[in-house]
Amino acid sequence: AQKVTQAQTEISVVEKEDVTLDCVYETRDTTYYLFWYKQPPSGELVFLIRRNSFDEQNEISGRYSWNFQKSTSSFNFTITASQVVDSAVYFCALTSGYSTLTFGKGTMLLVSP
Amino acid sequence: EAQVTQNPRYLITVTGKKLTVTCSQNMNHEYMSWYRQDPGLGLRQIYYSMNVEVTDKGDVPEGYKVSRKEKRNFPLILESPSPNQTSLYFCASSLLASGGETQYFGPGTRLLVL
Repeated sequence: AQKVTQAQTEISVVEKEDVTLDCVYETRDTTYYLFWYKQPPSGELVFLIRRNSFDEQNEISGRYSWNFQKSTSSFNFTITASQVVDSAVYFCALTSGYSTLTFGKGTMLLVSP
Repeated sequence: EAQVTQNPRYLITVTGKKLTVTCSQNMNHEYMSWYRQDPGLGLRQIYYSMNVEVTDKGDVPEGYKVSRKEKRNFPLILESPSPNQTSLYFCASSLLASGGETQYFGPGTRLLVL
């Protein structure tokens, strides 16, 4: 069975602080895919990133960066210099290709001015 | 514009009154899926479809039906809604059913069953 754990239920930061959202996953498959989605207060789910299990390169996109470490089964997400518009619920998710997309329970990030 | 659309966006109904939530995608995606989102439980898959006329149960299928007669449409049917089906529902689609393709989500449908 697959599992995704986002241990941080809520995080509050002040604008311009850096923040890291943790994601730990469990799977028995050697090929799998990890995702991050953002759910702003308006409710839609916005795709942020997809990573396959064979690509451990970290990725940076503007203020966003992702650290994938197979050794610790983690796929953490860092926002640098956070902004109020980053306030949202962030979901980490896992699939092994044909299987269901398994989501973590989400981390609510509140960035105050 | 490539998108997944859902209708209605908001719905209030009463117990036992059959309803259908429509989902349509214009990206020629093979795979479509329905999820429900509940506080503290995250997103859970209800049903999915790997292609036309191919559907299967997800983690929480009880009380729901689906059909996939056309590639672009994947309606969710609640034959006899109950209050425990009050939730936020998302439809999603991806290009292929395999290979860990990214799923793109519709805007969501908020359902309240009284």
